[in-house]
Amino acid sequence: AQKITQTQPGMFVQEKEAVTLDCTYDTSDPSYGLFWYKQPSSGEMIFLIYQGSYDQQNATEGRYSLNFQKARKSANLVISASQLGDSAMYFCAMREVENFNKFYFGSGTKLNVKP
Amino acid sequence: DGGITQSPKYLFRKEGQNVTLSCEQNLNHDAMYWYRQDPGQGLRLIYYSQIVNDFQKGDIAEGYSVSREKKESFPLTVTSAQKNPTAFYLCASRDSGANQPQHFGDGTRLSIL
Repeated sequence: AQKITQTQPGMFVQEKEAVTLDCTYDTSDPSYGLFWYKQPSSGEMIFLIYQGSYDQQNATEGRYSLNFQKARKSANLVISASQLGDSAMYFCAMREVENFNKFYFGSGTKLNVKP
Repeated sequence: DGGITQSPKYLFRKEGQNVTLSCEQNLNHDAMYWYRQDPGQGLRLIYYSQIVNDFQKGDIAEGYSVSREKKESFPLTVTSAQKNPTAFYLCASRDSGANQPQHFGDGTRLSIL
């Protein structure tokens, strides 16, 4: 079974609007971590935000926030006030406590911000 | 500046040839990783190393080899046994701690001549 599922291959959003990128995960570990990365067309992977499974509050980092719904096993990334520079691939990833150093990545969502 | 350096940026391989991709980090991280990314797809783990002189196979290790003789360095060799090596290769490192993310290099694009 897929550990991380991103069901939106591509998304469009108007500049200055908010957008939600979906991520669902599959694990039986009680302790895990969820990460979001941005990959511009140049190829480097940029870390955006982290959510721990025991964190009581949703994580926020500037314009990025994570809508964490533990019972539904979803960790959606919300980008507020989209900018043209937000156009990129976005990947959701998970680390389980069972293997602390192994990360599982989703297939990604390509976000296009329209002016 | 602290970071991860991958070289070369572009690499071409002839049939039957082994090639080595370099990855160096000055972040003092114990864990290092190699991923393969095919066009329009996510990252697949090739090998990872949690400490010097130790490494584990990831999901697609066949046709690849690694070494970890120094904390700073984690080179990846793409051997002739890897029949479809054309891809984008990303190296990463990570500090210890549950909430620590992976830090990535800029990648190497490998193509077959």
